Amino acid sequence: TQLLEQSPQFLSIQEGENLTVYCNSSSVFSSLQWYRQEPGEGPVLLVTVVTGGEVKKLKRLTFQFGDARKDSSLHITAAQTGDTGLYLCAVYNFNKFYFGSGTKLNVKP
Amino acid sequence: ETGVTQTPRHLVMGMTNKKSLKCEQHLGHNAMYWYKQSAKKPLELMFVYSLEERVENNSVPSRFSPECPNSSHLFLHLHTLQPEDSALYLCASSQDLGFRSYEQYFGPGTRLTVT
Repeated sequence: TQLLEQSPQFLSIQEGENLTVYCNSSSVFSSLQWYRQEPGEGPVLLVTVVTGGEVKKLKRLTFQFGDARKDSSLHITAAQTGDTGLYLCAVYNFNKFYFGSGTKLNVKP
Repeated sequence: ETGVTQTPRHLVMGMTNKKSLKCEQHLGHNAMYWYKQSAKKPLELMFVYSLEERVENNSVPSRFSPECPNSSHLFLHLHTLQPEDSALYLCASSQDLGFRSYEQYFGPGTRLTVT
């Protein structure tokens, strides 16, 4: 059983559509990070959420941390082809970083 | 540009070879990490260094040997690898360890193929 479960695993949408991906756990965390990884590259940090219920916006991306700090969502408005990549959530727990398996997003032109 | 560089970007090696992966961070961070990323698996933490001291060895086989000569450089020495060791090896750094230092910055990775 993984600490972080991400869904969906794969998502293929048309440019201009909206989408939401999820990161869930049964554990409570003090913070959670979202990363995007493009093929052949390392993950790039997008945002860190710390407070339960917190919402952060990064242009067309909206990140929310659950009230109970067990889950998080990432919503993309009007997706663009440049949003294509692997979206990973991560937490720091008991002196280790844990990553989810990721959501692979493909935005078609 | 993330401030973390890795060389080489691609490496093909035989099972009897010895090679080294290099990572350098230009961010002034005190903690550095090696991760393995295989297809269809989450990122696996391999080693953690803080101020050049190894603080975590996540049950990694001895054919992988890390070295951290200073807080800016991290190496992963490889010898007698197996084909299942083929993967993307990622280096990362963070300001410090501890729950407040939770943001990691990754290098582009070394794509390793063991033949």
